[in-house]
Amino acid sequence: DAGITQSPRHKVTETGTPVTLRCHQTENHRYMYWYRQDPGHGLRLIHYSYGVKDTDKGEVSDGYSVSRSKTEDFLLTLESATSSQTSVYFCAISDPGQSYEQYFGPGTRLTVT
Amino acid sequence: GQQVMQIPQYQHVQEGEDFTTYCNSSTTLSNIQWYKQRPGGHPVFLIQLVKSGEVKKQKRLTFQFGEAKKNSSLHITATQTTDVGTYFCAGRGNDYKLSFGAGTTVTVRA
Repeated sequence: DAGITQSPRHKVTETGTPVTLRCHQTENHRYMYWYRQDPGHGLRLIHYSYGVKDTDKGEVSDGYSVSRSKTEDFLLTLESATSSQTSVYFCAISDPGQSYEQYFGPGTRLTVT
Repeated sequence: GQQVMQIPQYQHVQEGEDFTTYCNSSTTLSNIQWYKQRPGGHPVFLIQLVKSGEVKKQKRLTFQFGEAKKNSSLHITATQTTDVGTYFCAGRGNDYKLSFGAGTTVTVRA
């Protein structure tokens, strides 16, 4: 497996609290992505990054923000968590030199009560 | 961006039987990728198809890219219990982002 870690792996939080998920890679890949996975929806792109400090919105970005201050780290923040954000969150990386195939982290299971 | 539809959502297969999952895009794709996710795991890259009409095989798995580069299929022969999981197709347009289908979740009856 590619060198991708996510932290925390599991989190339970209350509605209205801020939450930050971290993705760390050791592959020096240029592109990083945050997805959420919900039954019946597959993987939906939240935000992505195409370089340090370069980020853009995906298809389900409302309520989420991201930051990338270093190549290896990509942070996803839920400013004020809602129950609809209960999901499994996956980070992925890709690189042009590897045909943009994506390597996924182990995932973070987030429950908002 | 492109929308990718995948059917069926669920596939219950008797061990030893064959099955096929299909993927269709609303727009022409530059390539299509397939991933497998085991229960409780993360998606793992299987293969990428780039050329119109391309067919690739991995042991009992056969992947095909349509002539118009808008559809793809994954055919598994002689299904085994190790094939259990969810198979996703993911289409790439003109940039580096992927649009994932909803996946086909495969269960196998021994």
